[in-house]
Amino acid sequence: GESVGLHLPTLSVQEGDNSIINCAYSNSASDYFIWYKQESGKGPQFIIDIRSNMDKRQGQRVTVLLNKTVKHLSLQIAATQPGDSAVYFCAETEDSSNTGKLIFGQGTTLQVKP
Amino acid sequence: DAGITQSPRHKVTETGTPVTLRCHQTENHRYMYWYRQDPGHGLRLIHYSYGVKDTDKGEVSDGYSVSRSKTEDFLLTLESATSSQTSVYFCAISGKANGELFFGEGSRLTVL
Repeated sequence: GESVGLHLPTLSVQEGDNSIINCAYSNSASDYFIWYKQESGKGPQFIIDIRSNMDKRQGQRVTVLLNKTVKHLSLQIAATQPGDSAVYFCAETEDSSNTGKLIFGQGTTLQVKP
Repeated sequence: DAGITQSPRHKVTETGTPVTLRCHQTENHRYMYWYRQDPGHGLRLIHYSYGVKDTDKGEVSDGYSVSRSKTEDFLLTLESATSSQTSVYFCAISGKANGELFFGEGSRLTVL
């Protein structure tokens, strides 16, 4: 079946460095993608999204890249801070399904070393 | 934060007992979802609703039922809880299909 996965369960970076979190998806019909951040004991929070008609989108300190050819999504965090430590999930859906159902990957834990 | 309240936030129960989790929203959003989160599985969709009395199954719906009698409330019921249903349950809402989901703080359920 379709799945969304992340390449690494844990990523450890030095404070101030850039972080790159990767995600592979298998459903070629997916056309809307979201990155969520989940801090310990809390619900996931929206970071940034991208639709399939784009290959890059930038937010504040974050950039999402979409490569539809290889079905790969990445989240780049610039100048990583201790407050960025969390689990990051990518999620996908098909616009045509009109249900809003998101399929989530298993998550990557980002650890920021001071 | 989106106006989503889950209750109870924590519950311990015994195998075979019924359990109902409540999700209440103040955003008047049309779409509501119940996910469960388990180590190694990420977030998996249990059931969702696209309007009052309109619900459908997600990928892990066995053993669960839902009801939505009014816009603001979405109830998740475990008719007879099993240990495999020990999990953290998240409610999410959205104002439109294929848009951002807003999540609640989660309900931790332990079935002994």
